Amino acid sequence: DSGVTQTPKHLITATGQRVTLRCSPRSGDLSVYWYQQSLDQGLQFLIQYYNGEERAKGNILERFSAQQFPDLHSELNLSSLELGDSALYFCASSVEGIPREQYFGPGTRLTVT
Amino acid sequence: QKEVEQDPGPLSVPEGAIVSLNCTYSNSAFQYFMWYRQYSRKGPELLMYTYSSGNKEDGRFTAQVDKSSKYISLFIRDSQPSDSATYLCAMIAPSGTYKYIFGTGTRLKVLA
Repeated sequence: DSGVTQTPKHLITATGQRVTLRCSPRSGDLSVYWYQQSLDQGLQFLIQYYNGEERAKGNILERFSAQQFPDLHSELNLSSLELGDSALYFCASSVEGIPREQYFGPGTRLTVT
Repeated sequence: QKEVEQDPGPLSVPEGAIVSLNCTYSNSAFQYFMWYRQYSRKGPELLMYTYSSGNKEDGRFTAQVDKSSKYISLFIRDSQPSDSATYLCAMIAPSGTYKYIFGTGTRLKVLA
């Protein structure tokens, strides 16, 4: 158990809908990272927040957004969902502002039908 | 050409073998190099990270970085069936807003 929690574990929704994924980092960690993992794309870094502020952006679509709250938990919002958004979404956390030592959560499996 | 290349495997080895997993990269700005292990449908688990060139050992695992060749390796000694997983390399170029890339992963099967 890494200490990073993610909810929900599974999510099934329809195209065009909007969903919110939630992540709680390990106690004491200030950074939260979001990743998408699909079979054909591998693990893709989406975005990082450090102590409430956006720190780095990867391959995040404009339809996706994230935020980190004062209690350091984070939410990833996915809107206008497409079939291709079906994937595992992982959250990770670290103490530092760069992902040298990060700990991953168990993931949320999103299925868009 | 991808910035980070990793053979997807699968790589099958007998129990007790020494396993060598590798990644090559093209961007000389990468300074931090990580190896993650991922069991099926689970979150990746950090095994080791190294900074710049050299070797780092942790138990049965040794990470090696050759920046002149832009080549990194993870060696697993005395491999066990429980080592069967996908191994991902990752790299950070820490300049300004850093660049952070994962390899696609190598599937390893250790046969009992």
